[in-house]
Formats: sequence, C-alpha cells, structure tokens
Amino acid sequence: DTGVSQDPRHKITKRGQNVTFRCDPISEHNRLYWYRQTLGQGPEFLTYFQNEAQLEKSRLLSDRFSAERPKGSFSTLEIQRTEQGDSAMYLCASSSSGRLMKRLFFGSGTQLSVL
Amino acid sequence: KNEVEQSPQNLTAQEGKFITINCSYSVGISALHWLQQHPGGGIVSLFMLSSGKKKHGRLIATINIQEKHSSLHITASHPRDSAVYICAVPGSQGNLIFGKGTKLSVKP
Repeated sequence: DTGVSQDPRHKITKRGQNVTFRCDPISEHNRLYWYRQTLGQGPEFLTYFQNEAQLEKSRLLSDRFSAERPKGSFSTLEIQRTEQGDSAMYLCASSSSGRLMKRLFFGSGTQLSVL
Repeated sequence: KNEVEQSPQNLTAQEGKFITINCSYSVGISALHWLQQHPGGGIVSLFMLSSGKKKHGRLIATINIQEKHSSLHITASHPRDSAVYICAVPGSQGNLIFGKGTKLSVKP
C-alpha cells in the first residue's frame, strides 16, 4: 500500500496520560499536514511540515501538543497530559509541493478517546 | 481568515435523484477542493478546481470565482454515494480550511 498510513487506528487513554501518533506519508510527498476532526465538524488544521520544517501551527495547537518530522519522512504528533476535550479523530495528509496548492491524500486517521 | 460555508448540512435523497451541494467562501482563492468522507474517517479528494467545471463519472463540480461559490452535483444518485462531502479552500501558507461538510444519505 503506497497511501498515507496512520498508527494506531484507535487509542483509548486516561486523562492526564501522554499519547503519540504516527503518520507515514506518501514517500515522494514533501508536505505533511495534521488535522483534527470532531463529530459533525469538518477537519480543523493543526500544523504542517515542508520536509522536516514545521511551517505553520494553528492556535488550536496548545503547548501540550507537539509535532515532529525529524527526517522529512514520517511524522509524530504527541499530546501531553491529555484532556477529555482532546478526544477527536486526528487526520494526517500529504501532498507534493509547488507554487499552487496540490491535491491532498489523507490517511484513515487515529481516533483518540480520552476517558 | 477565509470562512467556508456549506449547504445543506444534511441531505436525504431517493436513489436516482440529482443532488446539489453548495459551498461559499469569503476570500479570493486559487483553487477549491471537494472531498468525500465515508464512515470510519477515510477522506478522498474528489476534485480540485480553479475555474469552470470538472466532471468525473456521475460527479460534476463547478466554481464561480467572482461569486465565491462552488457546487458539487451528483447525477443518478446511488446509495453508495452516501457520505459526507466537504468543501475546502486554501488558508495561509499552504494549509486547507474545511467546511463542516454535508452529510448525504441516498435511500434505495
């Protein structure tokens, strides 16, 4: 499978615990995006990378959230001291870069439930 | 900040009917995306268009840049078209801003 893959598919954790999600983009894509989606809402932008550089972070990304893409390939999103409000689907997407916006390819997401 | 509004929020149609979903945005853009999300979360890009009309099978997307409006049409709808359809436009520095989506249910 050469699409975007995310791991794990589901994560259940207790409030206060730390969680980490992983995203493997399509190999030739140098842009990687993280989005969060709650029930009945469209995806909300969290952050994005061009290669290993984190180019933008949303105001939604509090200090408890950190994302990395150390070698410009896979990315991790860590949430520290999880809260119940962090429960959501976390989506990763990748695209090639260029002057114009390119088509995004999405992973299946990681569903986080904070108890 | 670009705002994206979709209508309707929910749509139920009988199989075979022609369906239209609308998207309006507030700031000028270079391109607009239509995406499809099935239960379970998977999102698939349907169209990316910057002018006029694009067609793929029974799906047609149109955009009017001057009016800041786009429509997604489904001809001869089928129950397998049941999904959430999401419109998205570029935000600052390359991200996408998504609408809340239109939940379509096509009944046999």
